[in-house]
Amino acid sequence: KNEVEQSPQNLTAQEGEFITINCSYSVGISALHWLQQHPGGGIVSLFMLSSGKKKHGRLIATINIQEKHSSLHITASHPRDSAVYICAVSPSTRDSNYQLIWGAGTKLIIKP
Amino acid sequence: NAGVTQTPKFQVLKTGQSMTLQCAQDMNHEYMSWYRQDPGMGLRLIHYSVGAGITDQGEVPNGYNVSRSTTEDFPLRLLSAAPSQTSVYFCASHLGGQYNEQFFGPGTRLTVL
Repeated sequence: KNEVEQSPQNLTAQEGEFITINCSYSVGISALHWLQQHPGGGIVSLFMLSSGKKKHGRLIATINIQEKHSSLHITASHPRDSAVYICAVSPSTRDSNYQLIWGAGTKLIIKP
Repeated sequence: NAGVTQTPKFQVLKTGQSMTLQCAQDMNHEYMSWYRQDPGMGLRLIHYSVGAGITDQGEVPNGYNVSRSTTEDFPLRLLSAAPSQTSVYFCASHLGGQYNEQFFGPGTRLTVL
């Protein structure tokens, strides 16, 4: 079983829909990251959070440390949100050398 | 700041050839990493460095070498390219510590024939 699991693997929705992508993890963490990768493009950090909720524009990230679960929400989705969304965690163990554990990504397609 | 830069963007090699993928950052980050990204799989760590002169192996180090002679540069060498090394390679850097927001380069798409 992977230490970081994302669901769904693929998601297709219509423009304007509310989108939720989930990330579950099985290790103790100090922080959780959400990143975005557009087709053929580079990888950009969206959020880094260790508790509660963060918002940036139409993107909202939440984390529940007790349940080891995080969600990424997109409100009023738009075709330009089409991308792969990647969850990664920073393990809290000292010997991790601060290397992240990566999820496999969720491919999101928003149709006009 | 240019952030993290990688060269080349695209490369085609024949089996057995060697080459070096370049990575540089101008943010004075101590931590630098090389990842490969394959279809349907998450990012996999090849090698990483926690500072100049210090490198260590990641999850998939075989067939690759790295060195870190300066804080800015972290080249990745393919010693004898194999078709299994066809992938997209990303270099990343961060300041260090547990709250380590990663900054990625634009990637190098490598094809080994």
